[in-house]
Amino acid sequence: DQQVKQNSPSLSVQEGRISILNCDYTNSMFDYFLWYKKYPAEGPTFLISISSIKDKNEDGRFTVFLNKSAKHLSLHIVPSQPGDSAVYFCAASARGGSNYKLTFGKGTLLTVNP
Amino acid sequence: DSGVTQTPKHLITATGQRVTLRCSPRSGDLSVYWYQQSLDQGLQFLIQYYNGEERAKGNILERFSAQQFPDLHSELNLSSLELGDSALYFCASSVGTSGRYDNEQFFGPGTRLTVL
Repeated sequence: DQQVKQNSPSLSVQEGRISILNCDYTNSMFDYFLWYKKYPAEGPTFLISISSIKDKNEDGRFTVFLNKSAKHLSLHIVPSQPGDSAVYFCAASARGGSNYKLTFGKGTLLTVNP
Repeated sequence: DSGVTQTPKHLITATGQRVTLRCSPRSGDLSVYWYQQSLDQGLQFLIQYYNGEERAKGNILERFSAQQFPDLHSELNLSSLELGDSALYFCASSVGTSGRYDNEQFFGPGTRLTVL
């Protein structure tokens, strides 16, 4: 049973436009969410995170929105650049315990066309 | 460069064999996590160590084991290898349970294991 789902395996966007990547989760114990970016032959790189006490977090061109009632989060990239082309993973954790394992979605391949 | 190092980068071995993957966390990080990424799969959490002690277990097979040493580096041991164990194995580290950035794990470049 997948607790974190990224239903779009791929997304193609024109340079300068907005990229919206979506993520749904099922475990109501999740209270911290992260987005990672991964280039081929490299490990995932942390991008941005959001705590469940917030509904929005912004860092430069990247904004993450959290809708707790819908168990849905999204990552907005504005404006999109060709260098943003990568696989984006949504991840979630439940910080109630003393471990911080991340549960990942399967990823969305973003292609930004010049 | 995340500061997390993993060796070797590539490993090719035969079924039934045993291999050891090594990870050095970022300087100062006490927690080490191991993840497996198989074809068409997201990253699956295997196991976490915090300051030498096992903290959490995920979908780790009994044929797999790990440990974290006093210098905080970690090793993942995979034995009786099967074809299905072929995957990318990532190590990640974080400050630890008391740090502000506990959830922001920093990943190494991974070890690609191919079992023939």
